[in-house]
Amino acid sequence: NAGVTQTPKFQVLKTGQSMTLQCAQDMNHEYMSWYRQDPGMGLRLIHYSVGAGITDQGEVPNGYNVSRSTTEDFPLRLLSAAPSQTSVYFCASSYSWTSGGASTDTQYFGPGTRLTVL
Amino acid sequence: AQSVTQLGSHVSVSEGALVLLRCNYSSSVPPYLFWYVQYPNQGLQLLLKYTSAATLVKGINGFEAEFKKSETSFHLTKPSAHMSDAAEYFCAVSGGTASKLTFGTGTRLQVTL
Repeated sequence: NAGVTQTPKFQVLKTGQSMTLQCAQDMNHEYMSWYRQDPGMGLRLIHYSVGAGITDQGEVPNGYNVSRSTTEDFPLRLLSAAPSQTSVYFCASSYSWTSGGASTDTQYFGPGTRLTVL
Repeated sequence: AQSVTQLGSHVSVSEGALVLLRCNYSSSVPPYLFWYVQYPNQGLQLLLKYTSAATLVKGINGFEAEFKKSETSFHLTKPSAHMSDAAEYFCAVSGGTASKLTFGTGTRLQVTL
């Protein structure tokens, strides 16, 4: 299994440009998420999906769109890039398990995309 | 709502010394807790997770963590640091909703000779 793959590894955009960060997983995981990592702030959830056709917003969704047409793919779209979106983006996928009567998951992360917006 | 506080953004230990990385959590529901490690220019790798089955959790690479409800803590320890342990460590909490992890701000561990 390749696990979680992300493309591209690096990207430089100009303000106002649009682009799509690709994420794919081959583990048949139901759940997929996008995070951004900024210095001193840890990882923050952008959007997540609990299955094909179902997405929801995380902590910092503004400026980003997602869709989930297949189980394997979860692309992240920047509609009009801004310098504040300069960050490292991580995609994660997970399976759900139940313990103590509640459900949670263990997330597996991709290698990241380093995005710079000038 | 959940939150995680990691005390100390940088920790430095000598090789062979005890590693202690601190994590305190806040959660309105019984939490599920995780420690991840990130090596330079790489993604995050799961070290260990607390699932409510046992309060002392053993992970990979000799790390372990103890869940203490009374102290709302989940500190990460390793008896003897190795140079290869130098990395950034993240504590995270899930409030029972899959795919929604809340991360701490991370602790960078430096191991010196």
